[in-house]
Amino acid sequence: EVQLVQSKAEVKKPGESLKISCEASGYRFTNSWIGWVRQTPGKGLEWMGIIFPRDSDARYSPSFQGQVTISADKSITTAYVHWNSLKASDTAMYYCVRLNGYCDYWGQGTLVTVSS
Amino acid sequence: DIQMTQSPSTLSASVGDRVTITCRASQTISTWLAWYQQKPGKAPKVLIYKASSLESGVPSRFSGSGSGTEFTLTISSLQPDDFATYYCQQYDTFTWTFGQGTKVEI
Repeated sequence: EVQLVQSKAEVKKPGESLKISCEASGYRFTNSWIGWVRQTPGKGLEWMGIIFPRDSDARYSPSFQGQVTISADKSITTAYVHWNSLKASDTAMYYCVRLNGYCDYWGQGTLVTVSS
Repeated sequence: DIQMTQSPSTLSASVGDRVTITCRASQTISTWLAWYQQKPGKAPKVLIYKASSLESGVPSRFSGSGSGTEFTLTISSLQPDDFATYYCQQYDTFTWTFGQGTKVEI
């Protein structure tokens, strides 16, 4: 059974760094792209970027390029998204997804709250 | 970026109703379209991919149609479990985009 298990909710202050994770199981991790999707009440669902764990080829939505870093560790079948300096506007629910063209499996979501 | 526009934004319906949601792409995407259902506090779940293919395990009352720029999701007979928000998503180009969502409520 394919599962994507994400790290727990985080509360951070503006300017702090953060890395959230997505552990995959139930399929060959190196054979499928993993993506990250942001959800906010105001902007809905937004695609952030994707990574191919076999060679860590990462591609970003223009809106998120330079704002986050997506990475993967194939030895522990885990993907990550990292922020160097959080802003209040990064407050959102973040989902990892497995890609089969479309998003065929979703993680449970990680809520990130950025507030002073 | 390709813009995806869903209509309506909110839909009031009753159990047993036939419900249709429309999604329009700002440029042609062939049939590279998926539909998702999201319930409060849960992650979205795929219902339809490639415009009309039913994901495994999804009830047959859900169907999708369309190609190019116009797509529809139909629920043939609305069930209590179907009250949720529905999103379309294009995956034709590398920069995917989602529709803004359609909330189906009583």
